[in-house]
Amino acid sequence: GDSVTQMEGPVTLSEEAFLTINCTYTATGYPSLFWYVQYPGEGLQLLLKATKADDKGSNKGFEATYRKETTSFHLEKGSVQVSDSAVYFCALSDQGAQKLVFGQGTRLTINP
Amino acid sequence: EADIYQTPRYLVIGTGKKITLECSQTMGHDKMYWYQQDPGMELHLIHYSYGVNSTEKGDLSSESTVSRIRTEHFPLTLESARPSHTSQYLCASSELEGLVQETQYFGPGTRLLVL
Repeated sequence: GDSVTQMEGPVTLSEEAFLTINCTYTATGYPSLFWYVQYPGEGLQLLLKATKADDKGSNKGFEATYRKETTSFHLEKGSVQVSDSAVYFCALSDQGAQKLVFGQGTRLTINP
Repeated sequence: EADIYQTPRYLVIGTGKKITLECSQTMGHDKMYWYQQDPGMELHLIHYSYGVNSTEKGDLSSESTVSRIRTEHFPLTLESARPSHTSQYLCASSELEGLVQETQYFGPGTRLLVL
């Protein structure tokens, strides 16, 4: 079945560092791809999404490009802030079952 | 901003008690979901619904049950809580548009501790 594999955490960076969180997927068909973020004590929020190959999703300085050839959707940010500390989930849409398949989550901590 | 609510936010109960976790959304979404999130952060889909009177089991076997009598309401019930049910429970909703999985909107979660 469809699956998502994320870079293992936790990831700890200093403020203003460059961030990459890797995400690769296995899917039949042409899924949509998502990044969700979960701040401490809260539910998940959509961060960005891409619905077809070569699409770039972006929001709050984060970007991810849908790469069909490498089956990847890596999350990047040029300069992280302490407020970016959270858990990040990569996900794909399983069109057959009409549900999301989530990666295991990556905990990010940014130190001042 | 998404309008999806969960109550209670925190619940501590004894073994054997019956509990109902409430979830409501005001967006008119057809699809609703319940996830269980373990301390390792991984999300497990335990129930979902396509609309009123529709309920389906998710990927993770669960002793809980759900109902969908109204579009906006999707409560989850545990008939007899056990310590193994201790977890965070997240409710979500999305629009239903053919075969395309639209964005899911999540509630803040209920953190359950069974003693």
